[in-house]
Amino acid sequence: GQQLNQSPQSMFIQEGEDVSMNCTSSSIFNTWLWYKQDPGEGPVLLIALYKAGELTSNGRLTAQFGITRKDSFLNISASIPSDVGIYFCARTSGTYKYIFGTGTRLKVLA
Amino acid sequence: DTGVSQDPRHKITKRGQNVTFRCDPISEHNRLYWYRQTLGQGPEFLTYFQNEAQLEKSRLLSDRFSAERPKGSFSTLEIQRTEQGDSAMYLCASSPRQPGEQYFGPGTRLTVT
Repeated sequence: GQQLNQSPQSMFIQEGEDVSMNCTSSSIFNTWLWYKQDPGEGPVLLIALYKAGELTSNGRLTAQFGITRKDSFLNISASIPSDVGIYFCARTSGTYKYIFGTGTRLKVLA
Repeated sequence: DTGVSQDPRHKITKRGQNVTFRCDPISEHNRLYWYRQTLGQGPEFLTYFQNEAQLEKSRLLSDRFSAERPKGSFSTLEIQRTEQGDSAMYLCASSPRQPGEQYFGPGTRLTVT
């Protein structure tokens, strides 16, 4: 099915490092959602973006809606062990359906 | 806790059996979604309700799948004559508006043996 491209697919980082991941789409959209999912659990909403260029923070997390409306990035500052998990982006172009990315798997080394 | 709840959390069934899952959305949310997630993939949209009306169904939702939301509150997803390929995590989400934030439940993990 349709999915967004997320990169990197996985990353190992040292505790305390900053992390950056992004999501790209071939089409224009009007909402970006970023989620974190732990094994065996449902995704937890981190940040929602509604306007091109919008920059939103949630604690150590910062996400931006790309100006072209085709991409978004998520930054995590000063990573900690509990940041480990899979990060998904999701977008909608105005229909009811949300399309999810392929996920970025983050592992934090203490 | 007033988040989205799903029941059961885990279900193991034999091929050919019918299963039913329940989702209770956040109480003030009138929009409800079902997704399926297989290992290593992001959630895939199955169907969407606004109040009791089922407004969209994915092609992934074969005729063995049926979803209902009879009173615009909780929803059920039934799979008839389960197949091994139905093994997945079934996620429910609710939203107060469209487009808007979607809040997920913990999921129901289905294993078909």
